[in-house]
Parts: sequence; C-alpha cells; structure tokens
Amino acid sequence: ETGVTQSPTHLIKTRGQQVTLRCSSQSGHNTVSWYQQALGQGPQFIFQYYREEENGRGNFPPRFSGLQFPNYSSELNVNALELDDSALYLCASSPPTGTGSFEQYFGPGTRLTVT
Amino acid sequence: AQSVTQPDIHITVSEGASLELRCNYSYGATPYLFWYVQSPGQGLQLLLKYFSGDTLVQGIKGFEAEFKRSQSSFNLRKPSVHWSDAAEYFCAVGARAAGNKLTFGGGTRVLVKP
Repeated sequence: ETGVTQSPTHLIKTRGQQVTLRCSSQSGHNTVSWYQQALGQGPQFIFQYYREEENGRGNFPPRFSGLQFPNYSSELNVNALELDDSALYLCASSPPTGTGSFEQYFGPGTRLTVT
Repeated sequence: AQSVTQPDIHITVSEGASLELRCNYSYGATPYLFWYVQSPGQGLQLLLKYFSGDTLVQGIKGFEAEFKRSQSSFNLRKPSVHWSDAAEYFCAVGARAAGNKLTFGGGTRVLVKP
C-alpha cells in the first residue's frame, strides 16, 4: 500500500511568483486536505477536497486555490507569493467516511521558501 | 470553533523515564482527538486516535492517551522513553460537523537525555 506522496520536496520561489504543489493520496482514500506549517508552529488547515470539489476552507486568502482530480490526487496553487508563505505544506488523505474512519494520513510535505 | 492548547513548548526527559504530554481542547460536541509525531523536516505520523468508546486508547510505539471529557483533556503518555522518541508532538481535534478538518495545537518538543 502506497502512502501519501508529495512533490516537489523543496522549492524556492521569488515574491510575486506562482507555485503549484502536488499530492497523491493513499490508495483507497478519496478526501485530500492541505495544511500550512510555519516554522515552529502547528499545521493550519487551508482547505479540503472531496469528489473534486472544495469541501471546507480555513482562513486563507483566495490566492490559495486547489484542485482534485478523478484519481483523487490534488494540487495546491498559490499566486502572488509573499514572504510569509514560506512554510512546510502538508497534504493529508483520509478514507471514505462510510468506513467509520476519520483519521488523516500525512505526506512528507513540500518545503517552500519565498525570497 | 475548535481550539487546542498544548501548554508545554519543550519537555526534557531522561531515557527510560516516563513521559506525559498535555493537551486541552475546546469543542462544543464530542470531538475526534488525535496525537501525531513529527521528526525534524518530516511529515506527521499518526500515533493514536480517539473517536468514541473506551477513553484509554493505545497507539503505536508504546504510547497511550486518555480522554477526560470533564477536563477537556487528551494527554499522551509513555511509561519508558527511548532516545528515538525525541521529536515534536502535536495534539489535534477534528469533528465531522467541521468537515473533518483538523485543528492542531502548537506542539511540544521532546528532548531525550541519555
């Protein structure tokens, strides 16, 4: 069974640029959530995708957007990058709610540095 | 709104000693509660979870946690710490009503002395 994978591992961008981060969910999982973890802090919820639709959003501006594909993989797009966007971006997948499981399984993250 | 507080930012423990990490949550209904561990530069690994039923839950790596509704707490314990337990630990609360989004505490960094 393959776990959650994310690409790239590290990324350096310049302020004002745009970035796309990718996530492949764990086999059998149909829900993907994205989190931002700034240095020294706990992860913060960005949004969640279920059946290719946004299914909940945290306190992040519209320049943070996402997609989910029919195979349940997902992308996180950030436009007009700001220095404060420098963080570890974590993707998590979770199994169908009908299974009675509500836990989320995390990938290794993408470290984004904005200069 | 959900919130999680981990009062201890750092804890130093000797190898072989017991460990307890505190977690207090705020949520109006019965929450789903989780503990995750994060090694430097890594993602989060699920240690254990509480959804319902027995309030003492067992997890991986010898960890356990106890849900106390009256105290809104979900403290993590390990009887004997190994050097490999040095990491950052995060408590999180989720709820179906909130779309299963997780709200995390600020984390507790555990240092293990030889």
